[in-house]
Amino acid sequence: KQEVTQIPAALSVPEGENLVLNCSFTDSAIYNLQWFRQDPGKGLTSLLLIQSSQREQTSGRLNASLDKSSGRSTLYIAASQPGDSATYLCASGDSSYKLIFGSGTRLLVRP
Amino acid sequence: GAVVSQHPSWVICKSGTSVKIECRSLDFQATTMFWYRQFPKQSLMLMATSNEGSKATYEQGVEKDKFLINHASLTLSTLTVTSAHPEDSSFYICSAPRTLNTEAFFGQGTRLTVV
Repeated sequence: KQEVTQIPAALSVPEGENLVLNCSFTDSAIYNLQWFRQDPGKGLTSLLLIQSSQREQTSGRLNASLDKSSGRSTLYIAASQPGDSATYLCASGDSSYKLIFGSGTRLLVRP
Repeated sequence: GAVVSQHPSWVICKSGTSVKIECRSLDFQATTMFWYRQFPKQSLMLMATSNEGSKATYEQGVEKDKFLINHASLTLSTLTVTSAHPEDSSFYICSAPRTLNTEAFFGQGTRLTVV
């Protein structure tokens, strides 16, 4: 059974810092790996999707990498801003479209 | 704009009553939709897979008689929490994929509070 773990659980950084969020998964037979953002009490916003054949994806200040063999993905946020404060979730996707989520990293970017 | 719409965004109900939550795909047909539940400060847990025209598939530990799922059309799935109790209070959110290996689209979520 797939298990997805995220570390750290919480992170507080000053504005402008570059940061890395980590995601690990136990079963490397994934179809894709997705990163989401969730604001308090709100739904999910898809940030990046990495297909199993890819190693990374980039969108603006965000870069996500995938290493299937080691069961790891990282989300890199460059030049963090207070507006980046949110919970970041990673999720592994299988062949039946199901997503298994990690417990999330709560990010606070201090002005 | 949103491609998956969920309604209502929040609901308060009395213990013992039933609550229906709707999930609609706005500009595409979704033969499959997913229902997740999120307790405070926890991650999303898959409850069930909603299949258009057939019975839903429930994850282990989810009571199918309590959480009724109907996927009557290619754009609408509903989740009915029957005989709700305070422990059912949670954030319920639906998802609809367009195709495999494309991003999953999520509804806005429904905050259910049972008093």
